[in-house]
Amino acid sequence: NAGVTQTPKFQVLKTGQSMTLQCAQDMNHEYMSWYRQDPGMGLRLIHYSVGAGITDQGEVPNGYNVSRSTTEDFPLRLLSAAPSQTSVYFCASSYSGGAREQYFGPGTRLTVT
Amino acid sequence: AQSVTQLDSQVPVFEEAPVELRCNYSSSVSVYLFWYVQYPNQGLQLLLKYLSGSTLVKGINGFEAEFNKSQTSFHLRKPSVHISDTAEYFCAVTVGRGGSEKLVFGKGTKLTVNP
Repeated sequence: NAGVTQTPKFQVLKTGQSMTLQCAQDMNHEYMSWYRQDPGMGLRLIHYSVGAGITDQGEVPNGYNVSRSTTEDFPLRLLSAAPSQTSVYFCASSYSGGAREQYFGPGTRLTVT
Repeated sequence: AQSVTQLDSQVPVFEEAPVELRCNYSSSVSVYLFWYVQYPNQGLQLLLKYLSGSTLVKGINGFEAEFNKSQTSFHLRKPSVHISDTAEYFCAVTVGRGGSEKLVFGKGTKLTVNP
């Protein structure tokens, strides 16, 4: 199993550009989530999904969209990037059906200039 | 609302010394508690978890944690650290149940093990 994969590893965007961060897992996990990590802030939940077709907002959802058309994939879209979205983004999945025991991807480092 | 407080942002220790990383949570209901570790430039890895049962939980790499309900704490300990334990450690607690379950993280503690 590849586990949780994320692409790209690094990305530089200009303010106002859009892009999609990809996340995929091959463990048949129902629960998937996106976090952003900023220095001194820990990880903050952006959006999460408890299964295909079901998504919900986390703590910091503004400026981000998600969809979940398959169990495997959970892309995160930035519609109009802002410098405040400069961060490291982690995708995670869980087999427990809930938020417990999440497996994390390697992360995407995004810089918005 | 549930929250997690990691009392130390940075902890420097010497190799082979014991270490305790402190975590307190606020909750009025049953909780599930976790410690994750993040090595430099990597994702997070589950170190240990408390779901129910024994309050002393053993994890990977010789770490353990004790769930103390009366003090709402879940401190992480290791009796003798190695250079390779240098990493950032995050305490986390679940909030909600079922379809609305989420994980709330503390702000992290950077452990630096010096020779």
